[in-house]
Amino acid sequence: KQEVTQIPAALSVPEGENLVLNCSFTDSAIYNLQWFRQDPGKGLTSLLLIQSSQREQTSGRLNASLDKSSGRSTLYIAASQPGDSATYLCAVRKNSGGSNYKLTFGKGTLLTVNP
Amino acid sequence: GAGVSQSPSNKVTEKGKDVELRCDPISGHTALYWYRQRLGQGLEFLIYFQGNSAPDKSGLPSDRFSAERTGESVSTLTIQRTQQEDSAVYLCASSFDPAVNPFFGPGTRLTVL
Repeated sequence: KQEVTQIPAALSVPEGENLVLNCSFTDSAIYNLQWFRQDPGKGLTSLLLIQSSQREQTSGRLNASLDKSSGRSTLYIAASQPGDSATYLCAVRKNSGGSNYKLTFGKGTLLTVNP
Repeated sequence: GAGVSQSPSNKVTEKGKDVELRCDPISGHTALYWYRQRLGQGLEFLIYFQGNSAPDKSGLPSDRFSAERTGESVSTLTIQRTQQEDSAVYLCASSFDPAVNPFFGPGTRLTVL
């Protein structure tokens, strides 16, 4: 059974810092890995999706890397801003077999960026 | 609409009551999912609909939970005889193809007193 772990559970940083969020998964047979942002009272906003054949994806100040063999992904946020404060979720999708449409989520990292 | 919509956004109910949660997927999306997010936990898969195929109900936690979808439109998730442990955010998601990761709605926050 796939398990996804996110470390740290919470992180508080001053504005302007670069930071890294970590995600690990136990079964490396994944189809893709997706990072989401969740704001209170709102749904999930997709940030970056990395296919299993890719090593990284970038969007603006965000960079996500994937090391499938070691079961790890990192989300790098450059020059953090107070507006980046949210919960960040990592989710993986299995590669094949039945029910490969399901996403398995970590519990998230609660990020607070202080002005 | 432009995205997945859910109603109500918040629901407070008393233990033992039945509740019905609604999801309007993005138009044309054949795949629809329900997930649950309890406090401090990751999202848990509940149920999956794809076109006219039999739904995957493997994630429903008990027989008090049921869901329906008519064709490729609205879905309702019903919880009978609610318990306090049912308190959670219930998220709906849809995609135009099961091979594509879905878009998520804003969720319904359910509180059972």
